[in-house]
Amino acid sequence: AQKITQTQPGMFVQEKEAVTLDCTYDTSDPSYGLFWYKQPSSGEMIFLIYQGSYDQQNATEGRYSLNFQKARKSANLVISASQLGDSAMYFCAMRENNAGNMLTFGGGTRLMVKP
Amino acid sequence: NAGVTQTPKFQVLKTGQSMTLQCAQDMNHNSMYWYRQDPGMGLRLIYYSASEGTTDKGEVPNGYNVSRLNKREFSLRLESAAPSQTSVYFCASTNPGANTGELFFGEGSRLTVL
Repeated sequence: AQKITQTQPGMFVQEKEAVTLDCTYDTSDPSYGLFWYKQPSSGEMIFLIYQGSYDQQNATEGRYSLNFQKARKSANLVISASQLGDSAMYFCAMRENNAGNMLTFGGGTRLMVKP
Repeated sequence: NAGVTQTPKFQVLKTGQSMTLQCAQDMNHNSMYWYRQDPGMGLRLIYYSASEGTTDKGEVPNGYNVSRLNKREFSLRLESAAPSQTSVYFCASTNPGANTGELFFGEGSRLTVL
């Protein structure tokens, strides 16, 4: 079974608008961490934001916020005020802390920002 | 600041040849990982090493072996390369107990198997 599911292969958003990228996860480990990474066309992996399973508040980092709904096992990324430079692949990932720190990625969402 | 260094960056192999991808990190991280990324797809975990002296299989370990040589180095070996192993390979490292425990990635190694 997939541990991380990203159901949106591709999305468009108008410049300056907000966009939500979906991520659901599956684990029985009570201690885990959730990550979002950005991969521009140049290929490098850029860390965006982190949410721990015991964190009470949703993580925020500049224009990025993580909508963490633990009971639903979802960790959606919200990008506010989209910019042309946000066009990239976005990956959700999960680290299971009691499984030897195994860290797995979802299939990604390609975001395209329209001017 | 070198971070995570992978070599080689590009490699072309013939079916059946063997090769080793080298990875080294200078951040004193405990955990290291090898992923492969096929075109237009996500990263799939091949093997990982939670700490020096341990290695574990990930999602797609078949056809690969790894060695955690010491805390700094984690190598990935293809014993008999197949065209299905054509991919971009990423090495990554982290300290899970650190602030976020984010992964730090190498630049990737592009492997083509003919």
